[in-house]
Amino acid sequence: AQTVTQSQPEMSVQEAETVTLSCTYDTSESDYYLFWYKQPPSRQMILVIRQEAYKQQNATENRFSVNFQKAAKSFSLKISDSQLGDAAMYFCAFALEYGNKLVFGAGTILRVKS
Amino acid sequence: KAGVTQTPRYLIKTRGQQVTLSCSPISGHRSVSWYQQTPGQGLQFLFEYFSETQRNKGNFPGRFSGRQFSNSRSEMNVSTLELGDSALYLCASSQGVIATNEKLFFGSGTQLSVL
Repeated sequence: AQTVTQSQPEMSVQEAETVTLSCTYDTSESDYYLFWYKQPPSRQMILVIRQEAYKQQNATENRFSVNFQKAAKSFSLKISDSQLGDAAMYFCAFALEYGNKLVFGAGTILRVKS
Repeated sequence: KAGVTQTPRYLIKTRGQQVTLSCSPISGHRSVSWYQQTPGQGLQFLFEYFSETQRNKGNFPGRFSGRQFSNSRSEMNVSTLELGDSALYLCASSQGVIATNEKLFFGSGTQLSVL
């Protein structure tokens, strides 16, 4: 069975600064996908970024980038130039190549200070 | 294009009752997945339906069931409600095609409170 661990229950960052959220996972599979989702107070889960395990290059989406270390089974999210709108719960998630069954971590609350 | 719509937004039931939650996926999406979110257990996968067939199932008791209609709308049913079933139930839809650019789109959830 796959597991996802987010060791930081809560993080704070000053507006315009950079913050990194940690995620580790465990799997015996070699092909899989990793995701970061954002859940604002509206409760709707929003996909921030995704990474295919077979790709060595780290994914980036504007101010969001990941550091994917396959051997270490680590998948951290870096948010640059943090904005007030980035404040939310962030979930790391894992999915095997086939099917949409996501395994989520416990989440990290991100607070952005002005 | 309308997003994933879940109804109702809030629901209050008592122990022993049964409840049905509804999810309308994005137009053209054939896969609907359901997740339970609680403060204690986090987000857990319930099941996935694709073209009216259950394609994946999580580790939940038989009291939790679902179905998908020919228009891809899905319902989730919980029978004999227990206090521990109080949770936010999230629905997600996707095209259901296994591809590298497949994305899940989530609804805003139904908050179920069991008294």
